[in-house]
Amino acid sequence: NAGVTQTPKFQVLKTGQSMTLQCAQDMNHNSMYWYRQDPGMGLRLIYYSASEGTTDKGEVPNGYNVSRLNKREFSLRLESAAPSQTSVYFCASAGGTVRGTGRGEKLFFGSGTQLSVL
Amino acid sequence: AQSVTQLDSHVSVSEGTPVLLRCNYSSSYSPSLFWYVQHPNKGLQLLLKYTSAATLVKGINGFEAEFKKSETSFHLTKPSAHMSDAAEYFCVVSDRNTPLVFGKGTRLSVIA
Repeated sequence: NAGVTQTPKFQVLKTGQSMTLQCAQDMNHNSMYWYRQDPGMGLRLIYYSASEGTTDKGEVPNGYNVSRLNKREFSLRLESAAPSQTSVYFCASAGGTVRGTGRGEKLFFGSGTQLSVL
Repeated sequence: AQSVTQLDSHVSVSEGTPVLLRCNYSSSYSPSLFWYVQHPNKGLQLLLKYTSAATLVKGINGFEAEFKKSETSFHLTKPSAHMSDAAEYFCVVSDRNTPLVFGKGTRLSVIA
């Protein structure tokens, strides 16, 4: 049972480099999310996709782009990495649309990507 | 818009003593409330959730939480702490059609 799979697990970038974080879920979930986790800040929502073909900004979208490639996959792209983007990134999914999630659905998380930008 | 405040950034208890992790929320509607746990270098795992059914919610590993609308609180408790409970705990709120909002977390340390 794979659940939510994120790649890579670790990445080091230089300032200005670009990269894409990959996320895939095998639970036929509708909604997918990207969060970043920083010490003392909890998890903050970067972007989410309520269903295939839609994406919306979360709390901290600046410097990121996303693509909901199909129902399974939701990627996060850093076009020009900055040291402020050093963080741990988590992908998550839930069965319903955002409406379904807002009424108590469980989020399933990947194991995270630790990103350092030098 | 909804928000959540975890009142303690760090809680330390002795093994075998009760655990209390405090959470207050703000929501314009009847919220859904969750507690998630994150063990070191792991992803997050759902402990329990409240969705307008019983106000006392039981979760995994002996944890429970009580929804108190008058106090806008959803505190997490466990009668007797175990070493394996040492982790980061997140209180989470969601209402209507909005994505979940996470608190900043409470780190629980358990002393032998």
